[in-house]
Parts: sequence; C-alpha cells; structure tokens
Amino acid sequence: QQPVQSPQAVILREGEDAVINCSSSKALYSVHWYRQKHGEAPVFLMILLKGGEQKGHEKISASFNEKKQQSSLYLTASQLSYSGTYFCGTALSGGSNYKLTFGKGTLLTVNP
Amino acid sequence: DTAVSQTPKYLVTQMGNDKSIKCEQNLGHDTMYWYKQDSKKFLKIMFSYNNKELIINETVPNRFSPKSPDKAHLNLHINSLELGDSAVYFCASSGSGQGFLLLHFGNGTRLTVT
Repeated sequence: QQPVQSPQAVILREGEDAVINCSSSKALYSVHWYRQKHGEAPVFLMILLKGGEQKGHEKISASFNEKKQQSSLYLTASQLSYSGTYFCGTALSGGSNYKLTFGKGTLLTVNP
Repeated sequence: DTAVSQTPKYLVTQMGNDKSIKCEQNLGHDTMYWYKQDSKKFLKIMFSYNNKELIINETVPNRFSPKSPDKAHLNLHINSLELGDSAVYFCASSGSGQGFLLLHFGNGTRLTVT
C-alpha cells in the first residue's frame, strides 16, 4: 500500500521552514525519508522505527506517530541545498516488512 | 570507490529489442533491489534478492528477468522492449540489522525505448 505524501510541492525562500507529511492506511514498522536531486539517485536521510521516536539530521528532523501511522519531516531554516524531491518510504508491520514502498514525492524548491 | 554501480548510464533502443542492465555493489550487503522510476518520478519496487534468492517479485511483466549470480551482483534483462518500459531504473542494496532497508541507490540507468 503506497503511503500518501503532502503537499505535492512546496516553494520556499531561503531561511523559511517547511513540513512534509506522510501517512499510511496500514500499520507501519518503519518510515524512511530520502531526498532526490534532479538527475541524481535518491539519498537516505533517516529512518524512524515504530515507537514514536524523533530523529534529526542537521536542520532536518522527523517524527513518527505510531497511533496515526503518520510521519512528518521538518526542514528548518531551509538552505538552497535542500531543494529536491523528498520521498517517504514505508515498511509494514508484521509479515513482509522487508519491502520499502515509496510515496509519490514532494518537490521542494528553495529560492534565494 | 562507488558503492553501488550500474551500467550503462543511458540506454536508447528500439521497440522489440532485448537489453540488459548490470548492477554491482561493494558494500558487502546481502540484499539488492531493482526500482523503476517513471516520468512522474514514482519509485516502484520491482524485485528484491537476498543472498541470491528472490524474495520480492512485484507485479512485473515476465519480460523482465532479474539474475543474481552472487550477492554482490544483480542484473536485469528485459525482453521485447515496449514504449512503456521507458523509465529510469535504479539498483539499490541494503545491509542487515539496523541497516536493513537503508537503501543505497546506484546512479540509475535511463532507458529510452523508441
């Protein structure tokens, strides 16, 4: 089951904040966030396991609400280098949790 | 050293032809994957191998046949190419334990079928 990401696209000015959401209709084992720049491969940002933990990576952090099966990616004080498409990938709880299914992506554009 | 390498980077071919994409990883990972990214950037899993054994086979036409000669290599052969096969194909690998499903992607192979 493909997770749903929102918004589809965000345009920011440098220094502004953004939140990207990812939700699933199924119970999740883990949520993964990746960033893909134009013409490049997706690059891993962080994993969140069930348990509601929050993780951070420089000025990018994420949370996982296990009860709601939702994850949010927080980008604070955005930099030009944050531009790209952000994908959440989800692994389901119980049984086949060895497959990562990606959402449709959120295109983030940071302008000077 | 490149962690996950794919060849070729670009592949332009005509409908009906057969082509292969090769992938190699030097990370010592047990699991390798093929993902397809279409023109709308949707990343969809196709196949996954763990220690040379096929563990995921999504709804993919049987014109696509993966082959894993050893756990460091996963190749993709496509028969009778169709226009709809045009996409970027990404190979990826992941380790075990906490690294499981932490995907390391290759740089992709852009396949164009004319």
